[in-house]
Amino acid sequence: QQQVKQSPQSLIVQKGGIPIINCAYENTAFDYFPWYQQFPGKGPALLIAIRPDVSEKKEGRFTISFNKSAKQFSLHIMDSQPGDSATYFCAASRTSGTYKYIFGTGTRLKVLA
Amino acid sequence: DTGVSQNPRHKITKRGQNVTFRCDPISEHNRLYWYRQTLGQGPEFLTYFQNEAQLEKSRLLSDRFSAERPKGSFSTLEIQRTEQGDSAMYLCASSMTPPGNTEAFFGQGTRLTVV
Repeated sequence: QQQVKQSPQSLIVQKGGIPIINCAYENTAFDYFPWYQQFPGKGPALLIAIRPDVSEKKEGRFTISFNKSAKQFSLHIMDSQPGDSATYFCAASRTSGTYKYIFGTGTRLKVLA
Repeated sequence: DTGVSQNPRHKITKRGQNVTFRCDPISEHNRLYWYRQTLGQGPEFLTYFQNEAQLEKSRLLSDRFSAERPKGSFSTLEIQRTEQGDSAMYLCASSMTPPGNTEAFFGQGTRLTVV
């Protein structure tokens, strides 16, 4: 019940394409869903986050779609650029208690020039 | 303030040795977390502090691991009698307590290699 399943494991798109990364969770007590971007040798950096009271959130070229009934959420990167090449992690947490994150296994994205 | 700072960035140690890592959180953040990330995996929660109190420890945190946060400022993570399976990136994150911004900000990590 604590798992967050992420797919695909890796993704290659052409510049300007729209990569989509999907995550699914089981624990209905989760109510905060962030996405992190990680470059090699660096720590994860927060990209965008969503709460279950909305179905979509956009920040710049990044969009989260959230389906509460299906317990799924996804990240879309519009007009992807080579600089977006990184590993992306979804996560889930409860906004009570420790607020610890349960992370997915990551998606390695490569955007070809 | 430039964010969460972790030292050292890299540590190579022989099996059986003790190692200690340090994390300096963002100054106004009273919550501090340690995570462990192995190659090709997402970070896994190890332990959590609110101010100086250690409020939760994962079952991943064996008896060889100990963490402290004296005075509620910086934190240290010590691993005693290191094993090859301890090789990983150790990440520290900090955040505020509600109603402050509860988003977690991560440091760059300490990469441990046990040989």
